[in-house]
Amino acid sequence: EVQLVESGGGLVQPGGSLRLSCAASGFTFSNYWMHWVRQAPGKGLVWVSRINSDGSSRTYADSVQGRFTISRDNARNTLYLEMNGLRAEDTAVYYCTRHRYVEYFQYWGQGTLVTVSS
Amino acid sequence: EVVMTQSPATLSVSPGERATLSCRASQSVSSHLAWYQQKPGQAPRLLIYGVSTRATGVPARFSGSGSGTEFTLTISSLQSEDFAVYYCQQYNNLPQTFGQGTKVEIK
Repeated sequence: EVQLVESGGGLVQPGGSLRLSCAASGFTFSNYWMHWVRQAPGKGLVWVSRINSDGSSRTYADSVQGRFTISRDNARNTLYLEMNGLRAEDTAVYYCTRHRYVEYFQYWGQGTLVTVSS
Repeated sequence: EVVMTQSPATLSVSPGERATLSCRASQSVSSHLAWYQQKPGQAPRLLIYGVSTRATGVPARFSGSGSGTEFTLTISSLQSEDFAVYYCQQYNNLPQTFGQGTKVEIK
């Protein structure tokens, strides 16, 4: 069974940093591109970032470019999102998800809530 | 980026009735269009990809159609478990973009 389990969310002050993790199981992690998608409270889904299967290619939404870094550890079957310079507008539930050949998202984690507030 | 516009924002439907949700893209996305269902406190669930292919385990009452810039999700006979928010997503261009959602509520 495919499982994606996010962790690392919490309350952080504006300008602060946080690292999210996504532990993957039930599939060959190193074969898949991985993504982060976020959802602000009461709002819609917004794609944040993606990383290819071996970690050599990374893409970001303009809103997080230069502040967030996506990475992965294929030996540990874990995806990461390092978030720096956090702003109030980064407050959201962050989901990890995956794709292999085509970029629709069949499996999602349960999400982890990041709250940026003083 | 490709802007996805869903209509209506809210759809009030009685159980057993048909629901038709629309999604429009600001430019052609070919057949790279997916639909998701989301219930409160849950992650999105993939319903449809490639405009009209149902994901594993999705009931046949869900169907998708359209091409280019105009797409439709139809729920033929609403069940109680179908009341939720529905999002369309284009994955033809980076960044992938989602519509703002249509909430299907009980009439």
